[in-house]
Amino acid sequence: EAQVTQNPRYLITVTGKKLTVTCSQNMNHEYMSWYRQDPGLGLRQIYYSMNVEVTDKGDVPEGYKVSRKEKRNFPLILESPSPNQTSLYFCASSLRPLNTEAFFGQGTRLTVV
Amino acid sequence: DAKTTQPNSMESNEEEPVHLPCNHSTISGTDYIHWYRQLPSQGPEYVIHGLTSNVNNRMASLAIAEDRKSSTLILHRATLRDAAVYYCILRDGGNYGGSQGNLIFGKGTKLSVKP
Repeated sequence: EAQVTQNPRYLITVTGKKLTVTCSQNMNHEYMSWYRQDPGLGLRQIYYSMNVEVTDKGDVPEGYKVSRKEKRNFPLILESPSPNQTSLYFCASSLRPLNTEAFFGQGTRLTVV
Repeated sequence: DAKTTQPNSMESNEEEPVHLPCNHSTISGTDYIHWYRQLPSQGPEYVIHGLTSNVNNRMASLAIAEDRKSSTLILHRATLRDAAVYYCILRDGGNYGGSQGNLIFGKGTKLSVKP
């Protein structure tokens, strides 16, 4: 089954404690991206990757890092999480960034206290 | 990025057709029109996309105006499961590379379906 898998689904952490949210897709997609969703602000893109070792900033990249060492994985790294990064995070992938269907993960609800 | 305008909310009765409008008056010739929806507590889900001609798939139909400045997503028979936020998004199909192909989500239309 084609899917994008995020882990964990829920996470509560403390300010400053480094964390990684994993994202994996099984469709051999070139393009992957991360979004955060906040009430009243909608879905905003954090980072995206056009292919292995090719990443670029989205609209709200501050406080986040990503890596794309393998095609299937695109982890989101918060080196020093802060409360304003409390949000619902979604990973997405598509064959190419253009006119193909994007698949989204189920989301990771992160709370930073 | 070309912008889209959608109503904040709409209501429908179960088993009736629903027409969700989207205005995109600044659309460029290479922009594709994509629709996604997000059910409560889930990630966005692809619905349909098109360029100039009307499109049909198992989920919905997409009607695109002749001047491409507006489009309408048509759910032929709404079910309770169709209650979601529907996003109309323009995606540049003419420039591979860079951020032009990214999905930029607006506020969308929240569709409520009454039994």
